[in-house]
Amino acid sequence: GESVGLHLPTLSVQEGDNSIINCAYSNSASDYFIWYKQESGKGPQFIIDIRSNMDKRQGQRVTVLLNKTVKHLSLQIAATQPGDSAVYFCAERSYGKLTFGQGTILTVHP
Amino acid sequence: GAGVSQTPSNKVTEKGKYVELRCDPISGHTALYWYRQSLGQGPEFLIYFQGTGAADDSGLPNDRFFAVRPEGSVSTLKIQRTERGDSAVYLCASSGQGSTDTQYFGPGTRLTVL
Repeated sequence: GESVGLHLPTLSVQEGDNSIINCAYSNSASDYFIWYKQESGKGPQFIIDIRSNMDKRQGQRVTVLLNKTVKHLSLQIAATQPGDSAVYFCAERSYGKLTFGQGTILTVHP
Repeated sequence: GAGVSQTPSNKVTEKGKYVELRCDPISGHTALYWYRQSLGQGPEFLIYFQGTGAADDSGLPNDRFFAVRPEGSVSTLKIQRTERGDSAVYLCASSGQGSTDTQYFGPGTRLTVL
């Protein structure tokens, strides 16, 4: 079956620290892995994605790492800011359909 | 530019009633998706349209749920004989090139069935 899960449901960091959010997946047939950020009362907001044949991709202050050997995905946020506080979901895409994990609550303390 | 919009933002209905939820995708996007999100959970896939046709409706939980996209733009999710368990946030997303493109989400419709 397909499933995407997160190791840590909550993460608290100090402003300026780096944050790492982890995710495990089980469907090796997925072609893309995506990270979304969701603030209270809003829809998920695309952050970054990575194709299944890559192992690292960098964006602005964010880096996604994909380890296919252990089926693990992570999101690294550099210099975390209070505005980064939200729920973060990993998702895997297969034939267009997204399968989401449970989510990690990131809280950034000033 | 304008993002995905959904109406209404909130809908309260009574058990057994019929509801319609509307999604306006990003202009020009050919693919449209519906997801359902329960409190504390990630969104769950319901149905995916490519143009006017449903490319994948495997996530619809039962035959009370139906969705249409008659002109390949706006979509309506229809729920008949609503049940309390249907209470959730219904999210719509669209993407430009179909199944290989990034999905952008709307703000969702919060449905409460009393």
